[in-house]
Amino acid sequence: DTAVSQTPKYLVTQMGNDKSIKCEQNLGHDTMYWYKQDSKKFLKIMFSYNNKELIINETVPNRFSPKSPDKAHLNLHINSLELGDSAVYFCASEGGSYEQYFGPGTRLTVT
Amino acid sequence: DQQVKQNSPSLSVQEGRISILNCDYTNSMFDYFLWYKKYPAEGPTFLISISSIKDKNEDGRFTVFLNKSAKHLSLHIVPSQPGDSAVYFCAASKETSGSRLTFGEGTQLTVNP
Repeated sequence: DTAVSQTPKYLVTQMGNDKSIKCEQNLGHDTMYWYKQDSKKFLKIMFSYNNKELIINETVPNRFSPKSPDKAHLNLHINSLELGDSAVYFCASEGGSYEQYFGPGTRLTVT
Repeated sequence: DQQVKQNSPSLSVQEGRISILNCDYTNSMFDYFLWYKKYPAEGPTFLISISSIKDKNEDGRFTVFLNKSAKHLSLHIVPSQPGDSAVYFCAASKETSGSRLTFGEGTQLTVNP
């Protein structure tokens, strides 16, 4: 059983399009995250939700909007995609022990 | 401002020898530190952690050392195995920010047979 899953794994799209990435965790954790790994390989937190409530919102363009329909799901919607949005996006979940469990990542390529 | 730094982008060691990966941090408020391992095309996986009240934590072949005065931690892998070849990320957290993790930029470890 995959603990944290993301779909799709690869996403190629053109500038200006709107796309979504889905994340699901079956660990029963209350907290979920979205991270962006850029070309320099830094993992940077974007958002965090605890039990469907937004608790961390880093300096991320308004074009990025997370949505948590329930505590097992955290989706990321991106409007008006730009070339600079190309990166690997990781979802993660955490159950209160600092240890975060990551999904396999979604490689987004904007052309 | 990069608060967690891994100054060695890569490290190559022979199988059976010790691998030492280093990490420095600047924020003295960090009180919990973690190491993650990442294989290509996969997400990072948790490896080992240490609280700031300790200076050493050991789990099998993996040991993490923390030197708070120097704001430095290291991960020792003994003996190193080819399957340990991966990118290793250091991460830090502070209780006042909940479970938010600040990651270093990673070190690519290659263990040669």
